[in-house]
Amino acid sequence: KQEVTQIPAALSVPEGENLVLNCSFTDSAIYNLQWFRQDPGKGLTSLLLIQSSQREQTSGRLNASLDKSSGRSTLYIAASQPGDSATYLCAGIPQGGSEKLVFGKGTKLTVNP
Amino acid sequence: GAGVSQTPSNKVTEKGKYVELRCDPISGHTALYWYRQSLGQGPEFLIYFQGTGAADDSGLPNDRFFAVRPEGSVSTLKIQRTERGDSAVYLCASSRTPPGELFFGEGSRLTVL
Repeated sequence: KQEVTQIPAALSVPEGENLVLNCSFTDSAIYNLQWFRQDPGKGLTSLLLIQSSQREQTSGRLNASLDKSSGRSTLYIAASQPGDSATYLCAGIPQGGSEKLVFGKGTKLTVNP
Repeated sequence: GAGVSQTPSNKVTEKGKYVELRCDPISGHTALYWYRQSLGQGPEFLIYFQGTGAADDSGLPNDRFFAVRPEGSVSTLKIQRTERGDSAVYLCASSRTPPGELFFGEGSRLTVL
């Protein structure tokens, strides 16, 4: 059974710092990987999708990469802002199975002004 | 609207009652997913539809849970004889074609007293 671990579980940083969130899968055979943001009491907002033929995606201050040999992904946030405070979730679709995303528990990020 | 719409946003019911949760996906999206999220956890897969048929219902916890998508658009998640342990946020997502980028709704928060 595919399991997803996100480290750290929580992170507090001062505004302006660059930071990295980590995600790892017990089975490295990942077809698609998606990073989401979740604000308290809200649904999930898609941030970045890394498809099967890709290794990296960038959107503004966000960059996500996937190492398919190890089943590890990182989300890099540059020049963090208080508005970045949220829980960040990574999720992957295992290869060769159903089209369902398997989620980690998330990293709760607080950016202090 | 342009996004995934879920109703009701909040539902409080008594143990043993029947509940229906509705999801209206993004227009043109053929795939629809239901997830359940408990406090502090990542979303947990319940069921996935491709068109009108359930392509994978392996996440439904027991036979009290059932979902339909009769016309390949709107879906309803039905929970019979609700139990306190069913209390959670039920999230719906859709994608244009699987496996693609998933877009989530705001969720339906179910509280069983």
